[in-house]
This record gives sequence, structure tokens and C-alpha cells, in this order.
Amino acid sequence: KQEVTQIPAALSVPEGENLVLNCSFTDSAIYNLQWFRQDPGKGLTSLLLIQSSQREQTSGRLNASLDKSSGRSTLYIAASQPGDSATYLCTQGGSEKLVFGKGTKLTVNP
Amino acid sequence: DTEVTQTPKHLVMGMTNKKSLKCEQHMGHRAMYWYKQKAKKPPELMFVYSYEKLSINESVPSRFSPECPNSSLLNLHLHALQPEDSALYLCASSRGGLAGLGNEQFFGPGTRLTVL
Repeated sequence: KQEVTQIPAALSVPEGENLVLNCSFTDSAIYNLQWFRQDPGKGLTSLLLIQSSQREQTSGRLNASLDKSSGRSTLYIAASQPGDSATYLCTQGGSEKLVFGKGTKLTVNP
Repeated sequence: DTEVTQTPKHLVMGMTNKKSLKCEQHMGHRAMYWYKQKAKKPPELMFVYSYEKLSINESVPSRFSPECPNSSLLNLHLHALQPEDSALYLCASSRGGLAGLGNEQFFGPGTRLTVL
């Protein structure tokens, strides 16, 4: 059974700090890994998608890596801002559908 | 147009009502999804349509009935719901094929459903 685990469940940091969110998955037959952000009561916004053949993707202050051998992905956020406060979800694609982690709730304090 | 739209944004209904949620995308995506999300939980997959055909049904109760009239539209018909069905209902789409097989998934803003 596919499982996705995100650590930590919650994180509070001061503005300007660089931070790392972790995601681990159990299914080695991974097709892709996608990182989303969700603001309270809103839909999910796609941040980065890493295909199984890739090792990392970058968008602005965000960098996501994928290590299939260890079953891990990390989302690196540089120079965090209060506007980055949200819940971050990672999903593993495999066997036709996505499996979601429970998310990391990030709070960036001014 | 790079977005998935959902209507209504909010819906309050009684247990005997019949209502429908609507989802639309004009990105040419051929897979569309319904998810249910309870507070502080990740989205739970309900249905997947691929090329307008029901591809995945996650054993959802029959009081939820999906419909895909064409490649751009996805409906979720609701009938005789229970208070525990109150949740955020999210629609998503992906280009070409199923998101789980490598295609990026895009989500709508959701419909907040309250069942009294």
C-alpha cells in the first residue's frame, strides 16, 4: 500500500529563514512527486512537479528534490516570507492516482 | 486560461435536498477528478474521469453521483446527504492522462458544502 509521510506536521519560523520540508514515500514505483500549497479553506496550488526521471525542480525561491532510492523528497524554501504561511502537501503519483501526505503547516512570523 | 473553476463557492443544503456541484476547465485536460477534504486532513479521492469515462470510483456512497457531460465539464450530483458529508469538495484536472501517471494536476478553489 502506498503511503506518504510528511515531517514535521507543523513548523513556525521567523521571517527570512531558509527551511526544509520533508516528504517520504513507500512505493518505489513512483511516476512523479508533486508539491502543493493550500491556504485555509482554499484549493491546492501546484508548486513543483518532479518526474521520476528527474532529481530536482526549481521555481523562484523554491527547490524540490527527489531521491527515489531512499524514498524521500524535500522542499527547500529560501528567505521565507509571511506570505509563505500555508499548509504544504506532497503527493506521490503511482498506479494511476495520487497519494497525499497529511501536510506540513508552515507559519512564517514577521 | 490556466484555471479550474468551481461553482458554487458555498452551498448549504438539507438532508432531503438535491443539488449539484459544477467544475469547468478550458485547458484541454482529459482527466478530471473529485476530491473530498475534511478540516485539517488531506484531500480524499472520490472519482476520476479519463477521456469522459469514469476511470476510478473510490467506493463512494451512491448519494454522490458524478457526471462528465464533455471534456471541459464535471458535475457532482448530491442527494440525501448526511451532516458528516459536510466538507470542502475539490475538483482537479490533468493534461493528457491520469495525474498518478506523471501528469501535473491542477485544482479548483473548491465548494464549501454544509449539510444541515
